[in-house]
Amino acid sequence: DAGVIQSPRHEVTEMGQEVTLRCKPISGHNSLFWYRQTMMRGLELLIYFNNNVPIDDSGMPEDRFSAKMPNASFSTLKIQPSEPRDSAVYFCASSHSGISYEQYFGPGTRLTVT
Amino acid sequence: GENVEQHPSTLSVQEGDSAVIKCTYSDSASNYFPWYKQELGKRPQLIIDIRSNVGEKKDQRIAVTLNKTAKHFSLHITETQPEDSAVYFCAASGGGGADGLTFGKGTHLIIQP
Repeated sequence: DAGVIQSPRHEVTEMGQEVTLRCKPISGHNSLFWYRQTMMRGLELLIYFNNNVPIDDSGMPEDRFSAKMPNASFSTLKIQPSEPRDSAVYFCASSHSGISYEQYFGPGTRLTVT
Repeated sequence: GENVEQHPSTLSVQEGDSAVIKCTYSDSASNYFPWYKQELGKRPQLIIDIRSNVGEKKDQRIAVTLNKTAKHFSLHITETQPEDSAVYFCAASGGGGADGLTFGKGTHLIIQP
């Protein structure tokens, strides 16, 4: 099993540009989570999906952030327009809520907005 | 929403000694409490977890205790080793694997040789 896959691993962009982060959950998992990690705010839940349906997006900081899960194998997190304060490591995690509570994290995408 | 407080922020112990990290949560509906270990530049990885119907769980040198009345749970690491040096995060959620996690701010554990 390849685990949770995220791309890109590193992204450097200029303020105002659109950024799209991608995630492929572990095959068979039915829950997918997006987290953001910064030194100041720690690990924060942004949004999560169960069976491809968004359940709670109250952690999405602003309307500039949006997330989709068009199918069980793929999710995107988009920031448009990006700002320097969006710089962080963005983690995607997945779980099979019917079998185990454990959330498996991907390697993360380090985003730098200049 | 849920709020998780974690203490201490930094903990330095001698190799071979025990380490204890404590967390409190605010939402009495929370029923799942995992602990994650994160090494520098790496992803968080689950080391142990406990559900609200259990008071204590142990896995080799690691144990977790839960006090639902006090809304308090703790991580205990015995016989610490250099490879235990990392940042440890506690978390809580109300819906098990189908619910997002609320994390504590983390504890930087330093094992002194």
